[in-house]
Amino acid sequence: DTEVTQTPKHLVMGMTNKKSLKCEQHMGHRAMYWYKQKAKKPPELMFVYSYEKLSINESVPSRFSPECPNSSLLNLHLHALQPEDSALYLCASSQVAGRTYNEQFFGPGTRLTVL
Amino acid sequence: DAKTTQPPSMDCAEGRAANLPCNHSTISGNEYVYWYRQIHSQGPQYIIHGLKNNETNEMASLIITEDRKSSTLILPHATLRDTAVYYCIVTRGFKTIFGAGTRLFVKA
Repeated sequence: DTEVTQTPKHLVMGMTNKKSLKCEQHMGHRAMYWYKQKAKKPPELMFVYSYEKLSINESVPSRFSPECPNSSLLNLHLHALQPEDSALYLCASSQVAGRTYNEQFFGPGTRLTVL
Repeated sequence: DAKTTQPPSMDCAEGRAANLPCNHSTISGNEYVYWYRQIHSQGPQYIIHGLKNNETNEMASLIITEDRKSSTLILPHATLRDTAVYYCIVTRGFKTIFGAGTRLFVKA
């Protein structure tokens, strides 16, 4: 299984809502990533988990809260988002974070709209 | 992280080779060059990577100059399904910074 799955595919939420995005992989990868992608822009790295520990937080606002409950699962908890947070949220995984060679496998993304 | 520079867009005729250039003049000794592509509304897809030698796989070839300051991704026989944004990335470890990429249009 060489797939990264993300749920839901689409999410619409109000600014006072709390929601979560889910990402799953069963490739035995020990590094997992969250990216944010605005329309017609490249993906921007948000968080990196390595061996279930947060390794990188790219100065992401606290209204985004990542969680890695086990090596196969990555969540992104959302609370009090702003309309400008509307974007495609991409999850990726790789064998090991921090190595020089590090091919990442991406999921299809969750398209988030904040009203 | 080394910065990459790519042309914003390129056209290619179907069946011809697509040659996508990338400049990475600040690359350091142990940084790899990666290529990903993103077809509209999908997640990026890994294509190929290299350090200093030329590489080939079932999708593409990667030519890296001897001084490693630039590289070229070659799609040998482009099809309409190769229309996508192609990202050249230089990174060490897990901090992947995407540049603006090249939007490749393959035309019939």
